[in-house]
Amino acid sequence: DIVMTQSPDSLAVSLGERATINCKSSQSVLYSSNNKNYLAWYQEKPGQPPKLLIYWASTRESGVPDRFSGSGSGTDFTLTISSLQAEDVAVYYCQQYYNTLITFGQGTRLEIK
Amino acid sequence: QVQLVQSGAEVKKPGASVKVSCKASGYTFTSYGISWVRQAPGQGLEWMGWISGYNGNTIYAQKFQGRVTMTTDTSTSTAYMELRSLRSDDTAVFYCASGGSASPLYFDYWGQGTLVIVSS
Repeated sequence: DIVMTQSPDSLAVSLGERATINCKSSQSVLYSSNNKNYLAWYQEKPGQPPKLLIYWASTRESGVPDRFSGSGSGTDFTLTISSLQAEDVAVYYCQQYYNTLITFGQGTRLEIK
Repeated sequence: QVQLVQSGAEVKKPGASVKVSCKASGYTFTSYGISWVRQAPGQGLEWMGWISGYNGNTIYAQKFQGRVTMTTDTSTSTAYMELRSLRSDDTAVFYCASGGSASPLYFDYWGQGTLVIVSS
């Protein structure tokens, strides 16, 4: 299985500041035939199911604010929130779908400083 | 709009089985697959497996092989997940999520979750 490792495990950022979450895969999730990275990001708030934010590593899901962006390729990826809002407090997960045996990162808890 | 509506909470004894349903609406059920994701209390997301809405082909995570069965009923656009030989550490919220046609991809729609408590 592809192991997804996120860093940090938790993060506290001031309102309006940038938040950066990293995700590293144990093998490349870049599919050479279509040059796509099979990597998604989710936001999970208490009592709610996860919400898709980003897929193909950098494509924002419809309706997701543009302060959320995804970057990276191969094995190293980043989710950036450009200006943290109070409603962004949540746990964030990366997920690879390069391998049909789907795996998630362990999650990163984002809080307000 | 796309909706995945899951069955209600369950309390089971160790060794029993549970079957959770996930009724889809707002899209053509046979065009996409359904994955099941488990989340134990205070823990992260764990993918259990995927079933094709088109032909019922399944892919299971190795951890659940032999203990889980995923099925669909295309006449009612409903997916099912049965987990057998329940243990206390199976206590979790189980989600269904749609995504992928020929294989699982990212998950753009999620059910509301079904809490399964395993306790004697």
